[in-house]
Amino acid sequence: KQEVTQIPAALSVPEGENLVLNCSFTDSAIYNLQWFRQDPGKGLTSLLLIQSSQREQTSGRLNASLDKSSGRSTLYIAASQPGDSATYLCAVRAWVGGYNKLIFGAGTRLAVHP
Amino acid sequence: DAGVIQSPRHEVTEMGQEVTLRCKPISGHNSLFWYRQTMMRGLELLIYFNNNVPIDDSGMPEDRFSAKMPNASFSTLKIQPSEPRDSAVYFCASSHRRLNGYTFGSGTRLTVV
Repeated sequence: KQEVTQIPAALSVPEGENLVLNCSFTDSAIYNLQWFRQDPGKGLTSLLLIQSSQREQTSGRLNASLDKSSGRSTLYIAASQPGDSATYLCAVRAWVGGYNKLIFGAGTRLAVHP
Repeated sequence: DAGVIQSPRHEVTEMGQEVTLRCKPISGHNSLFWYRQTMMRGLELLIYFNNNVPIDDSGMPEDRFSAKMPNASFSTLKIQPSEPRDSAVYFCASSHRRLNGYTFGSGTRLTVV
């Protein structure tokens, strides 16, 4: 059974810090891994998509790595800003129970204070 | 590209009433997914369609829930009769191919009183 775990559940940091959010998954047989951002009361915005054959993806101050063999991904946020405050969700696309599914972690709630 | 479009954004209804949520996927995407999000259970996949055909509905909680996709550009999720425990945010997402990422709509916040 594929399970996705995100650590920490919540994080509060001062502006300017570099951050690492962690995601782990139990079955390495995945198609890809996607990081999302969700603001309170809003939908999910895709940040980065890493295919199973890739090691990392970068977008601006965000960098996501994937180590499929160990079942881990990290989202690195450089020079954090108050506008980065949101919940960050990690999801893996995998074959589960005979179906192609996107399995989500519970998220990391990030607060960046000035 | 207008993204995945969901309607209504908010719905407040009385227990026992029928509720219909609507979704328009991104043009050209051949997979559509309905998710439910609550504080207690996080994001749960309810059902997904591939080329308009329901593939996996194992996440649909009860027979009160039903979903249809009559064509490639429209899907509905219906709850009849609705109950207070159905209160949640319902998201629709679409994807082009297996290796592509998902694009989510803004969600419908359902409150059943």
